[in-house]
Amino acid sequence: AQTVTQSQPEMSVQEAETVTLSCTYDTSEGDYYLFWYKQPPSRQMILVIRQEAYKQQNATENRFSVNFQKAAKSFSLKISDSQLGDAAMYFCAYRSADNYGQNFVFGPGTRLSVLP
Amino acid sequence: SAVISQKPSRDICQRGTSLTIQCQVDSQVTMMFWYRQQPGQSLTLIATANQGSEATYESGFVIDKFPISRPNLTFSTLTVSNMSPEDSSIYLCSVGERGTQYFGPGTRLTVL
Repeated sequence: AQTVTQSQPEMSVQEAETVTLSCTYDTSEGDYYLFWYKQPPSRQMILVIRQEAYKQQNATENRFSVNFQKAAKSFSLKISDSQLGDAAMYFCAYRSADNYGQNFVFGPGTRLSVLP
Repeated sequence: SAVISQKPSRDICQRGTSLTIQCQVDSQVTMMFWYRQQPGQSLTLIATANQGSEATYESGFVIDKFPISRPNLTFSTLTVSNMSPEDSSIYLCSVGERGTQYFGPGTRLTVL
């Protein structure tokens, strides 16, 4: 079974600085998808970014980018120019390519604080 | 992406009672999911609810405790039955769309 690990339970960053959240996963599959979700105190889970494993190019979405290292099974999220609104729980998630939209495996989460 | 609403947004219930949570989507979707998020924890999938078939429950979750309805492609309900304080959690519904899951705002349940 696939597992997702986030080794940093809590992180903090100064406003306008850059922070990187770590995620590693374990799988024997060659094709899969990886996601980062954000959950602010309002508890709404918001999709931040998505990466297809077969794409070598790292996904980017405005201030959010990933460093996808397939051989190392690593999928870190970089937040540039951090803003107060970035404070939230961040969850890394994995999905097999053959389970369309189903069977997401979520990591334990990293709580990010943004300091003014 | 689909817009998802949940009712109620929060509730405080007495042990032994039941609560039904509604999930409404603004477009037709095939796959809907129900998750539980215990305080300070990650998400745990309760069941997958596809229209026209019985819900598929994950290990540790049973239909008698968490009955689910999926009467059409835009709506689903999750009932938390015979509640105990251990059921205090956030319950989230999500939909599968283009290989990604999108979530509702969640229902915060407190059981006294």
